[in-house]
Amino acid sequence: EDKVVQSPLSLVVHEGDTVTLNCSYEVTNFRSLLWYKQEKKAPTFLFMLTSSGIEKKSGRLSSILDKKELFSILNITATQTGDSAIYLCAVEDRGTYKYIFGTGTRLKVLA
Amino acid sequence: DAGVIQSPRHEVTEMGQEVTLRCKPISGHNSLFWYRQTMMRGLELLIYFNNNVPIDDSGMPEDRFSAKMPNASFSTLKIQPSEPRDSAVYFCASSLLSEQFFGPGTRLTVL
Repeated sequence: EDKVVQSPLSLVVHEGDTVTLNCSYEVTNFRSLLWYKQEKKAPTFLFMLTSSGIEKKSGRLSSILDKKELFSILNITATQTGDSAIYLCAVEDRGTYKYIFGTGTRLKVLA
Repeated sequence: DAGVIQSPRHEVTEMGQEVTLRCKPISGHNSLFWYRQTMMRGLELLIYFNNNVPIDDSGMPEDRFSAKMPNASFSTLKIQPSEPRDSAVYFCASSLLSEQFFGPGTRLTVL
C-alpha cells in the first residue's frame, strides 16, 4: 500500500533556530513530491520536487528530494513565530493522479 | 484567478439532515479532489475526478457520502443522512500539472 510518513510529528523550537522536517515515501508510481504549509486554514503550496538532488529554495525555506532513498527534507533557517504551522508532505502517483498525504509535522516557534 | 471556491464556509446542522458542499475548481484544471481533515485522522482523500469522471472513490466512508461533477467548473459532495462523526473540515482541491491548490474548506459541525 502506498504511504507517506513524516517526522517528527511535532516540534517546538525558539526563534532563530533551524529546523529540518522529514518525509519518506513508498509510492509505486512516483511523479512528484509536494510540500504544503497549513496554518489555520487551507494548505498552501510551498514546493514541488520531481528530480533528485536539485534544491528548491524560497527565502528561508528550502527542500530537496532523494529518489533513490525515497525521502525529502524541508529546511527552515532562522525560524520566526510566523513559521508556526503544520507542514504537510504529499506524493503524486503518476498512474492514478492521486496525492497521498502524510500526517504532517506540527511546528511551533516560540518567541 | 479567484482560486478554488468552496461554499458554505461553515455549516452547523443536526444529525439526520442532508448536507451539500460545493466546489468550483480553478478554471482550466482537469483534476478535482475532495478531502476531509480531522485532528484524529489528518487529511484523508475521499474521492477525486479527472476530466469530470470519478477515478477513485475508495476513500468515501459510506454510502451516505456521494459526490458529483456535472461539468468542469462545479462539484458537490453530499452527506445524507449526516452524523456527528462527519464533523470535520472538508477541502476541495484542483490541479492541472501536479501542483494542487486547495480551497478554503468548509467546516461542518453535525450536532
